[in-house]
Amino acid sequence: GESVGLHLPTLSVQEGDNSIINCAYSNSASDYFIWYKQESGKGPQFIIDIRSNMDKRQGQRVTVLLNKTVKHLSLQIAATQPGDSAVYFCAENTGFQKLVFGTGTRLLVSP
Amino acid sequence: AAGVIQSPRHLIKEKRETATLKCYPIPRHDTVYWYQQGPGQDPQFLISFYEKMQSDKGSIPDRFSAQQFSDYHSELNMSSLELGDSALYFCASSSGRGERPQHFGDGTRLSIL
Repeated sequence: GESVGLHLPTLSVQEGDNSIINCAYSNSASDYFIWYKQESGKGPQFIIDIRSNMDKRQGQRVTVLLNKTVKHLSLQIAATQPGDSAVYFCAENTGFQKLVFGTGTRLLVSP
Repeated sequence: AAGVIQSPRHLIKEKRETATLKCYPIPRHDTVYWYQQGPGQDPQFLISFYEKMQSDKGSIPDRFSAQQFSDYHSELNMSSLELGDSALYFCASSSGRGERPQHFGDGTRLSIL
């Protein structure tokens, strides 16, 4: 069946470090992926997306890498800040409508 | 920029009661999605609408129904509420379907006593 998962449930880093959050997906037909950030009491916030015809996309302080060969997705956050502390989800677009979310990773940033 | 608006933010109901959650999408967004998120879990897709027609259905119980109105807002109607329905309910919207980012509201926290 379809599934999107993460390897690490919690990632602790020091302020200023680079963070890498990983995600594995199982549906090789998926062609669109999104990373979301969710803070306590709030809805998932769009960070960055990538289509399957790309293997890398950069935003402000964030980079998403897609490896279709091994069905792996990662989110890199440069110079992590305390405000980056949140739960991060990868999500897979499996068709026209629904997103399949992976298990979130909690990022903890220490000053 | 305008975001997705959900109301109410918090709702407390008892078992077997009904509830209605409302969602107002980002202006000019024509597609609405509903997700349910249990404590410590990832959001699970319930149902979606495009141009006021249901377009996809996920793990939505038969006790729940939803619709999208002419002004594109959507309502999720929940009946015969059960303890297990306690969760965060998110609405998201997008402009069109397919490879478009879905933008989420801050959810309705539903507590069943």
